[in-house]
Amino acid sequence: GDSVTQMEGPVTLSEEAFLTINCTYTATGYPSLFWYVQYPGEGLQLLLKATKADDKGSNKGFEATYRKETTSFHLEKGSVQVSDSAVYFCPRMTTDSWGKLQFGAGTQVVVTP
Amino acid sequence: DVKVTQSSRYLVKRTGEKVFLECVQDMDHENMFWYRQDPGLGLRLIYFSYDVKMKEKGDIPEGYSVSREKKERFSLILESASTNQTSMYLCASSFYSRSNQPQHFGDGTRLSIL
Repeated sequence: GDSVTQMEGPVTLSEEAFLTINCTYTATGYPSLFWYVQYPGEGLQLLLKATKADDKGSNKGFEATYRKETTSFHLEKGSVQVSDSAVYFCPRMTTDSWGKLQFGAGTQVVVTP
Repeated sequence: DVKVTQSSRYLVKRTGEKVFLECVQDMDHENMFWYRQDPGLGLRLIYFSYDVKMKEKGDIPEGYSVSREKKERFSLILESASTNQTSMYLCASSFYSRSNQPQHFGDGTRLSIL
């Protein structure tokens, strides 16, 4: 069935390092894709989204491009800060028009000073 | 800014109790959702609602029910709490449309069943 696969964490980086979090999906059609971030003790916040192939979402220095040919939506940031330590999720919207999201396991990112 | 408010951040209940988790949103969203979050499993959809008094089962509805008497409020009910329902519960809301509106989440309720 349709699914979302994220790279396993934790991903541990030093401050100012380059961050990539891989996300791939399987689906019928081309669902909208999202990145959410969950800081410790909080709910999920929308980071960015893409609704069609080749769309590029960006926010707060994070970017992700919807790649139809590889069914991927990898998240990147050029220079991470300690405050970027969080769990990151890349759900896909289901294609049944109810607006539901299907989540992967999430990727924990730890940035050290 | 959209505000989704969950009534409790932390809750401790006993096995067999009936437990109510409340969620309120202030943006006139049609859709509301309840998820549970467990380590290594991400978020899993329990129930959702697209209108007042309407509800649909998600992926893991067993042991849960929901109520939506008003548009802004969506309640999750654990009919007879069990220890395997210890988890983080997250509520979300969104507009109902075909233009792929994002969901907005509350801060979560960490529920412990003893």
